Amino acid sequence: EAGVAQSPRYKIIEKRQSVAFWCNPISGHATLYWYQQILGQGPKLLIQFQNNGVVDDSQLPKDRFSAERLKGVDSTLKIQPAKLEDSAVYLCASSFRDYLFTDTQYFGPGTRLTVL
Amino acid sequence: SQQGEEDPQALSIQEGENATMNCSYKTSINNLQWYRQNSGRGLVHLILIRSNEREKHSGRLRVTLDTSKKSSSLLITASRAADTASYFCATDTGRRALTFGSGTRLQVQP
Repeated sequence: EAGVAQSPRYKIIEKRQSVAFWCNPISGHATLYWYQQILGQGPKLLIQFQNNGVVDDSQLPKDRFSAERLKGVDSTLKIQPAKLEDSAVYLCASSFRDYLFTDTQYFGPGTRLTVL
Repeated sequence: SQQGEEDPQALSIQEGENATMNCSYKTSINNLQWYRQNSGRGLVHLILIRSNEREKHSGRLRVTLDTSKKSSSLLITASRAADTASYFCATDTGRRALTFGSGTRLQVQP
């Protein structure tokens, strides 16, 4: 079974520029997550999709971050304009909740963003 | 805010020794999961323990859960250099996405 795919793996931009990340989840997984992981910290949820609907975006800085999941499969996360503090690894994960309501997540390799 | 907090933040041991990491959390959970992250990579699911379980084994991994103390521990026996990574606990309330702790960085010296 193919894993979660993300691209690009690395991105370096100047502050105030825009950037977009792409994620392709595991086939059949209805739930997709975007996390931000700052160096030395655990992943912090940015947004959760169930199919193509948003379940939780309470921690997404909506003035600069946006995300969409067209047709309930692939997803893109955009930052516009980027700030220095956005430097982090952006992780995409997918999962499906089983009959016991268990949510085991499968992560992609992440995109390391550096904002100069 | 972080639901799970790991302890210690960093751990350095010799190959062959056991490594123990602890996780404390705040609210009731459906299950608790442990993930590993190698440097520069995504997280990999290791083991899941449900709220009605007290201990679980998987290979060289042993996880315990004490819901009365809201704590869990991960034991890696006979550690190897390849076990060097960061380990995160994640709590699942059954209603929201997993909440991850800040992790324990394990260094296994060959």
